[in-house]
Amino acid sequence: DVKVTQSSRYLVKRTGEKVFLECVQDMDHENMFWYRQDPGLGLRLIYFSYDVKMKEKGDIPEGYSVSREKKERFSLILESASTNQTSMYLCASSSDGLNQPQHFGDGTRLSIL
Amino acid sequence: SQQGEEDPQALSIQEGENATMNCSYKTSINNLQWYRQNSGRGLVHLILIRSNEREKHSGRLRVTLDTSKKSSSLLITASRAADTASYFCATGGYQKVTFGIGTKLQVIP
Repeated sequence: DVKVTQSSRYLVKRTGEKVFLECVQDMDHENMFWYRQDPGLGLRLIYFSYDVKMKEKGDIPEGYSVSREKKERFSLILESASTNQTSMYLCASSSDGLNQPQHFGDGTRLSIL
Repeated sequence: SQQGEEDPQALSIQEGENATMNCSYKTSINNLQWYRQNSGRGLVHLILIRSNEREKHSGRLRVTLDTSKKSSSLLITASRAADTASYFCATGGYQKVTFGIGTKLQVIP
């Protein structure tokens, strides 16, 4: 089975801090994704990557950046955390091809104080 | 974006009953996917239906797709308490998909 592992289930940080969220997948998937999930808004795509060192903006990239130095690892970076970035963050991966199923990690619930 | 919209937003049924959730979308699609999310967990892929398919089954799940109405439905038969979760449809382009807001299903034992 595909396993997508997010480094933290819960994280508390302060406004202005630089925050790193890590995600690792073990199935050699080409595509990796970062979403945030908020009540009433569903999942919104922040960034995705279809290959090492490649990245594409999603629907809400402002305030975030990403890094993909190795195929199995995709990092989400909050450059200067703000309270409106308090959310559940979900990482996913999928194999290459048309609309392949995505495999999700269990999420990181991030609180910015 | 091609966001799907699920309906109803919340559904409460007794164990053993069937649950039906609907998804509508705005633009043409290549396929449509359904996912489940248990509380506090990530999403789990349930089923994918291609645009040239009308119906697909997987265990107690039945998915239909009507491209002329731009809608899909997910039927869970003989529901169990363990089916309590949020259910999302997802539509989209080549590599990324767009998720709806979801239907929250509660199955009462």
